Amino acid sequence: KQEVTQIPAALSVPEGENLVLNCSFTDSAIYNLQWFRQDPGKGLTSLLLIQSSQREQTSGRLNASLDKSSGRSTLYIAASQPGDSATYLCAVKGSNYKLTFGKGTLLTVNP
Amino acid sequence: KAGVTQTPRYLIKTRGQQVTLSCSPISGHRSVSWYQQTPGQGLQFLFEYFSETQRNKGNFPGRFSGRQFSNSRSEMNVSTLELGDSALYLCASSLGVTTGELFFGEGSRLTVL
Repeated sequence: KQEVTQIPAALSVPEGENLVLNCSFTDSAIYNLQWFRQDPGKGLTSLLLIQSSQREQTSGRLNASLDKSSGRSTLYIAASQPGDSATYLCAVKGSNYKLTFGKGTLLTVNP
Repeated sequence: KAGVTQTPRYLIKTRGQQVTLSCSPISGHRSVSWYQQTPGQGLQFLFEYFSETQRNKGNFPGRFSGRQFSNSRSEMNVSTLELGDSALYLCASSLGVTTGELFFGEGSRLTVL
């Protein structure tokens, strides 16, 4: 059974800092991994999708990497802003086509 | 391009009642999946539909069911509601089942009293 772990559970940083969020998964037989952000009481917003054959994806200040063999992904956020404050979730689509989510990292960026 | 639309956004039911939630996917998307989000369990997969067929199912009791129509719109139904069914129910759509990027709606918040 796929298990997804996100570390840390919460993170507070000053504005302008670069930061890394971590996601690990137990079964490396995956189709893809997707990073989302969720604002309180809202749905999920897709940030980056990495297919199993890819190593990384970039969008603006965000960069996500994938190391299937070690079961790890990282989301790098450059020059953080208060608007980046949200819960960040990673989700893995396994070989059974089921999507498994981590519990998320609650990020607070202080002005 | 319109996003994923879920209705209703909020609803309150009492134990024993049933509820139907609706999801309209992004135009052209044929896969619709449903998730339950609670503070304790986080986000959990309910089921996924593609071309009107259920392709996958999570570990939820039979009280949770769904269907997909020919226009890709989907509904999920929960019968005999329990207090523990109180949650945010999220729907997502994608082009396909395996590799497509998922796009989520704002969710339907169900409160069971």
